[in-house]
Amino acid sequence: QKEVEQNSGPLSVPEGAIASLNCTYSDRGSQSFFWYRQYSGKSPELIMSIYSNGDKEDGRFTAQLNKASQYVSLLIRDSQPSDSATYLCAALYNQGGKLIFGQGTELSVKP
Amino acid sequence: DGGITQSPKYLFRKEGQNVTLSCEQNLNHDAMYWYRQDPGQGLRLIYYSQIVNDFQKGDIAEGYSVSREKKESFPLTVTSAQKNPTAFYLCASNRGNTDTQYFGPGTRLTVL
Repeated sequence: QKEVEQNSGPLSVPEGAIASLNCTYSDRGSQSFFWYRQYSGKSPELIMSIYSNGDKEDGRFTAQLNKASQYVSLLIRDSQPSDSATYLCAALYNQGGKLIFGQGTELSVKP
Repeated sequence: DGGITQSPKYLFRKEGQNVTLSCEQNLNHDAMYWYRQDPGQGLRLIYYSQIVNDFQKGDIAEGYSVSREKKESFPLTVTSAQKNPTAFYLCASNRGNTDTQYFGPGTRLTVL
């Protein structure tokens, strides 16, 4: 069973702080990883994708991948109340191209 | 405007009825997917199609059926055999099975 695990939270951080969201995956063959943001009642929207070990930065967001530890993280710098949402981690299972999603981490940014 | 549309936004079904959820995309994507999301849960794959006239079962296909007669359309039928159909249904598409998936706005189905 291919699995992706996330802390369900809620994770609460003050405005302006760094929010750190973590994810582990079980399939060593997974090569592609995605972070989606989902506001309550809405559909997921892509934040970041990462394919190589190391860091990938896009504005206030940094994705980190460590394939040896099977660990993916998302850092949000200068967190804003508008970042309050559920963040879904997903790993691409190469056989058949299926995305496996974690259960999501709820983030709350307090003004 | 390119994108993925789903209809209806909200759907109510009586027990024993079949209902069909629509998903259309004008992104020229080859692959399309249906997911189900329950409260506080991640997404679970119901069915997916990588090419017209072909589709595969996902992890929770029982009680659901699909068709892929046109590249841009991938309707999902929730049959009376699905015992607990109340959920948020999401359609997604991408250019190929290793590419980023993009989601439609979703259909919230409630069984009365």
